[in-house]
Amino acid sequence: QSALTQPASVSGSPGQSITISCTGTSSDVGGYDYVSWHQQHPGKAPKLMIYDVTNRPSGVSNRFSGSKSDNTASLTISGLQAEDEADYYCSSYTSSSTWVFGGGTKVTVL
Amino acid sequence: EVQLVESGGGLVQPGGSLRLSCVASGFTFSSYWMHWVRQAPGKGLVWVSRIKTDGSSTNYADSVKGRFTISRDNAKNTLYLQMNSLRAEDTAVYYCTSGRELDYWGQGTLVTVSS
Repeated sequence: QSALTQPASVSGSPGQSITISCTGTSSDVGGYDYVSWHQQHPGKAPKLMIYDVTNRPSGVSNRFSGSKSDNTASLTISGLQAEDEADYYCSSYTSSSTWVFGGGTKVTVL
Repeated sequence: EVQLVESGGGLVQPGGSLRLSCVASGFTFSSYWMHWVRQAPGKGLVWVSRIKTDGSSTNYADSVKGRFTISRDNAKNTLYLQMNSLRAEDTAVYYCTSGRELDYWGQGTLVTVSS
């Protein structure tokens, strides 16, 4: 049950696009299209932003998009805004019928 | 409106026990897998456990297997986490969350294991 690998931090200027990667194995990210992305502001509960690799829940801005290639999933935030500054976590279903999170990525808007 | 409200956290000594509850409303609780996820102070999210809709199947992270038990009462729309043999490293905010996608989250309840 090793954590998925995410960069510790990513930054960008307002209006730019950034991408956060989430690398796992064929037993989790690569084996299932059950990758989710969660946004967490300080002191708040996580919020689902993307599920099943590419799907956005109702109410989530279309500036957020997800993709996957082999064992790596990615979250792209387009048109970066100040309110996007937060921690982002990927999660995946695994072959052991468990779930695993990434270590989290701190997004800074410059 | 979907709501998940956790309770039962607090200060407990190493080796002690605690039972967390999560009351759900605004959705058909009995139709959703439910999970517990924890977050140690200043650290990332860690998946703890999951229970199937009817309680017939459960899974646990290796770090809590044999010490924690997840259960649910669909008649009361309530999820539980019985935590035994608590250790300092179990100190965290514990969240309940729903579905395979981990879509809705409660506000969390803080568990502190310390002497």
